[in-house]
Amino acid sequence: EIVLTQSPGTLSLSPGERATLSCRASQSVNSNYLAWYQQKPGQAPRLLIYGATTRATGIPDRFSGSGSGTDFTLTISRLEPEDFAVYYCQQYGSSLSITFGQGTRLEIK
Amino acid sequence: QVQLVQSGAEVKKPGSSVKVSCKASGDTFSTFAMSWVRQAPGQGLEWMGGIIPIFGTIKYAQKFQGRVTISTDKSTGTAYMELSSLRSEDTAVYYCAREGPTAAAGQPFDYWGQGTLVTVSS
Repeated sequence: EIVLTQSPGTLSLSPGERATLSCRASQSVNSNYLAWYQQKPGQAPRLLIYGATTRATGIPDRFSGSGSGTDFTLTISRLEPEDFAVYYCQQYGSSLSITFGQGTRLEIK
Repeated sequence: QVQLVQSGAEVKKPGSSVKVSCKASGDTFSTFAMSWVRQAPGQGLEWMGGIIPIFGTIKYAQKFQGRVTISTDKSTGTAYMELSSLRSEDTAVYYCAREGPTAAAGQPFDYWGQGTLVTVSS
C-alpha cells in the first residue's frame, strides 16, 4: 500500500497570499495518478486536480498541481476567502487500489 | 449532471450491521467504478473498497476485509455498502464516490454522495 504524507499539517496564511501544500508518497505513484481534493466543514470532498496537474471541471486557475514520482505539490496562487478548508491528496494508481493523505488544514492567519 | 443520493443517518448497536445505499442518476451507472470512503469525526478520509458494476469486480481495503460487503443493483443504479460487527470506532460519515471523468481505469473521484452518518452506540 502506498502511504501518502502531507505537509504541513496546518498552514496559516492571509487572503491574497500564495499557498504551497506538499504530498509525498512512500513509493512512486503509477502514471502520476495523484489527485487533490478540497473539503469544507459539513461537505463532501471536491475534486480539484487529477493526473497530478489537470484541473477538474470548473476549478479556478489559481489552483495548480505539479510533481511526479513521489513528490507532489498543490499551489494556490492568490488565496480567496473561500479557499480556507482542508486539502487531501489521493493516489489512485490502479482502479480499486486507493489511499489518501492525512490532510492539510489551510486556515486564515 | 451526475447525482449520487445516499440513504439517511443510522444509529446502530455494537455488534450489529449497517447497510448504506447510494443511488446514481443518469444511465452510465454500470460503466463507472464506485467506491466507498469513510470519515470519522474530525479525522481524514479512508477508502474502504469499490466495485466496477459492469465487470462485477470488487476490491476491499485490507483493513475492512471480512467485515465489508459492497454490491450493486444495476437495474436501479444503486450501490450498497454493508459493514458488519460494528464497533464504536466505526462511527463516521460514509460517502459513496464515483470514479471519473471517464470510465477508463485509474480515475479520481469526480462525484460524491452527500454522506451518511452512522453512529454506533450502546
